[in-house]
Amino acid sequence: DIQMTQSPSTLSASVGDRVTITCRASQSINTWLAWYQQKPGKAPKLLVYKASLLQSGVPLRFSGGGSGTEFTLTINSLQPDDFGTYYCQQYIKFPLAFGQGTRLEIK
Amino acid sequence: EVQLVESGGGLVQPGRSLRLSCASSGFTFGEYAMSWSRQSPGKGLEWVGLVRSKSYGGTPEYAASARGRFTISRDDSRSIAYLQMDSLGAEDTGIYFCSRGYTIVGVKYYFDYWGQGALVTVSS
Repeated sequence: DIQMTQSPSTLSASVGDRVTITCRASQSINTWLAWYQQKPGKAPKLLVYKASLLQSGVPLRFSGGGSGTEFTLTINSLQPDDFGTYYCQQYIKFPLAFGQGTRLEIK
Repeated sequence: EVQLVESGGGLVQPGRSLRLSCASSGFTFGEYAMSWSRQSPGKGLEWVGLVRSKSYGGTPEYAASARGRFTISRDDSRSIAYLQMDSLGAEDTGIYFCSRGYTIVGVKYYFDYWGQGALVTVSS
């Protein structure tokens, strides 16, 4: 099975900052990676699929990159609404798997 | 507007069964896979399983933790997906989310819409 590892586990940043979250796969997943944002008590929301393609309606300050085993989610000019927990998910093969999550706190 | 609404959660004793439903609207249900994920209290997301659309055989896939105890099915005539959970244990406590599985080639799925979740508590 493919394991997904995110770093950091927790991130604290200020409004206007640029932040980057990293996701590593235990084996190559090409670009079959999605990113989700989840706020407390809410359902996850799809942000990025195919490693770098932005889901419709997602602000352009979000961007995804990477291929193979290392991926990034970058948020440019952080906004107060961007707090929450971010998860990556591999979907190259079953069983599908999420990373453990990165909690983003706004200073 | 795509809507997914889970129901059937609640308190259940260890060893008992529970069936969750996911009522869907706003899209052609039969054309999409439907998936279940869960989140234990204070923890991250865990994928549970998925049932493909009939176009791709309507077959299920499961995480190791669900295989043999959980069954995912679908009723395309009613636009409902189900998660039948048997032999429940305390480790199954959490919020269960259904989601729509998006695929282009029928073998790679990510989740573009999610329900708000149903809370399942396994306790005596």
